[in-house]
Amino acid sequence: DGGITQSPKYLFRKEGQNVTLSCEQNLNHDAMYWYRQDPGQGLRLIYYSQIVNDFQKGDIAEGYSVSREKKESFPLTVTSAQKNPTAFYLCASRISGGDTDTQYFGPGTRLTVL
Amino acid sequence: AQSVSQHNHHVILSEAASLELGCNYSYGGTVNLFWYVQYPGQHLQLLLKYFSGDPLVKGIKGFEAEFIKSKFSFNLRKPSVQWSDTAEYFCAVIYTGRRALTFGSGTRLQVQP
Repeated sequence: DGGITQSPKYLFRKEGQNVTLSCEQNLNHDAMYWYRQDPGQGLRLIYYSQIVNDFQKGDIAEGYSVSREKKESFPLTVTSAQKNPTAFYLCASRISGGDTDTQYFGPGTRLTVL
Repeated sequence: AQSVSQHNHHVILSEAASLELGCNYSYGGTVNLFWYVQYPGQHLQLLLKYFSGDPLVKGIKGFEAEFIKSKFSFNLRKPSVQWSDTAEYFCAVIYTGRRALTFGSGTRLQVQP
């Protein structure tokens, strides 16, 4: 069963704590992305990675960090430096070559800071 | 800055009504255009996309969109909506040289039976 999985579905964090959101894909896609969704603002790009061991900041990278040690995995860490972390986080992936621009999305993780 | 505008934030329609959701993007050269849909509690799904060729593209579930280059627009249409079309709709663009999507703020569609 191919697709993108994100875990956990819901996550609660105390202020001042770092937390890591998981994103795994078995689609053999090269590129992976993290977006943040807030009501009325659409999705905004946090980080993306075109290949293993390489990643670039998106539009709102401050307070977040990522790694890309394996093709299948692109975890996102929300650090205590992120001032307003409560949001819905979506991971996406895209294949290189052919239909290169279509991104496929995971189910999301809803993070709430208490 | 490159941006995408969706002017309708919340649309309420009765079943069988026709739908048109607006999407405009800022000038930025060559673009690829998308409409995604997010049904309540479900993944973001691709409705349709435009890369090149016929500017009128057809997607899933009876949706279509028309790319009008001179107006920087990519409006989504459906002749007759159903209650099951209740969802949030996002227009998105990939600009040349940028490998990630730029999204509009979304339009929440509510279809009343």
